[in-house]
This record gives sequence, structure tokens and C-alpha cells, in this order.
Amino acid sequence: DQQVKQNSPSLSVQEGRISILNCDYTNSMFDYFLWYKKYPAEGPTFLISISSIKDKNEDGRFTVFLNKSAKHLSLHIVPSQPGDSAVYFCAASGYYGGSQGNLIFGKGTKLSVKP
Amino acid sequence: NAGVTQTPKFRVLKTGQSMTLLCAQDMNHEYMYWYRQDPGMGLRLIHYSVGEGTTAKGEVPDGYNVSRLKKQNFLLGLESAAPSQTSVYFCASKARRTGEQYFGPGTRLTVT
Repeated sequence: DQQVKQNSPSLSVQEGRISILNCDYTNSMFDYFLWYKKYPAEGPTFLISISSIKDKNEDGRFTVFLNKSAKHLSLHIVPSQPGDSAVYFCAASGYYGGSQGNLIFGKGTKLSVKP
Repeated sequence: NAGVTQTPKFRVLKTGQSMTLLCAQDMNHEYMYWYRQDPGMGLRLIHYSVGEGTTAKGEVPDGYNVSRLKKQNFLLGLESAAPSQTSVYFCASKARRTGEQYFGPGTRLTVT
């Protein structure tokens, strides 16, 4: 059973508009959440993270929101740029079942930003 | 500062052959990981290590072995390759007190 779900396999937005990528999780023991960006033929690169003690974290054009009661987080990119076109993975970690900080990844959302 | 490097970048194996994938990091990270990524799937953890000389199983460990003889290196072995092991393999490392993992560029393995 998937513990981290990204229900939208793809998203297309216009350059300059907002991109909103969503992620849901099921394990209430998760206490740290991350977003990774992946270009084809490259490894994932860390983008932004949020601890469960916060509900928002901002870094330039990227903001992550966490709603613990709904077990939901989202990544907002404003404004979107063509270079943001990539696959975005949501990941979660926490102390659960003996695993210390291991990441559980969603299946990813492919973002396409059109000029 | 190269970060995380992986060798080789590509490899084609025949069923039953063996090989070792090498991961090296120069960030003095304590934790290292091996993942596989298949089409339409996220990254799935194969094995990990929390320090030199220690390894542990992840989500999909069957058919793989690992070793961490030196802090900076983490080796992933396939003793008898199977077509189901065709995948892209990523190595990652992490400092003990941080949450984010840093990934290598990946190894694309095809087993025929």
C-alpha cells in the first residue's frame, strides 16, 4: 500500500502562472517532508523541505504547504518558468517501524511549463 | 567537490551474469542508500547503510547485496542478474543530522 501518493501523473501550466503539485500521505509517523526535482537522465535534486512543526516553508519561487490534519502537502511554484519542466517527487521520512530517516517517495508528477 | 558519483553510467548484462555498481561520495556523509527507479514508479529503497561496516535491507532487497567497507563508498552487487532487475539505479548520501539526501546521476542497467 502506497504511503506517499501523488495522484496527478502530469501537470501542464503556462509560463508565468502558478504550478501547484499535490502529495498525500497515510503514515501519521512521518515528520519531515521533501520535494525533489528530476530532469531526464539525471539524479533527483533536493528542492525544498518542511518539518511537521511548520505549516509553510518558502524558498524563492518555491513554497511548500503542509496540512497535517489532512495528511496533505503541496508545492507551489510562482511564477512558473520553462526550466521548471521536470518530474517532481514528494518524499516523507520519520521514525517509524525501525526506519530512521529513510525516505518514502511518491511516484512523481511530470510538470510541463509552456512558453 | 564532486558530490555523489556512480560507476558505470550504463551497463548491459545477460541473465545470470554478475556485476557491482560503485557509489562514491566526498561529503563525509554517514548515511548512504541504493534505490531503483522503474517507469511510472517512485524511487524504491534497496539497501542502506548508516555507517562504515553496517548495512540494512530496504523495501526491495531481494537479488541484491551491498557492502560499505569505507565510509565514502557503497557497493551494490547483483550476483545473478535477472530481467526484472532492468532499471535505473540511484545512489544517495546524507549527513546524520540532516533530512535531505543527495543523489548521484544514476546507472542505467539492462538485463537481457
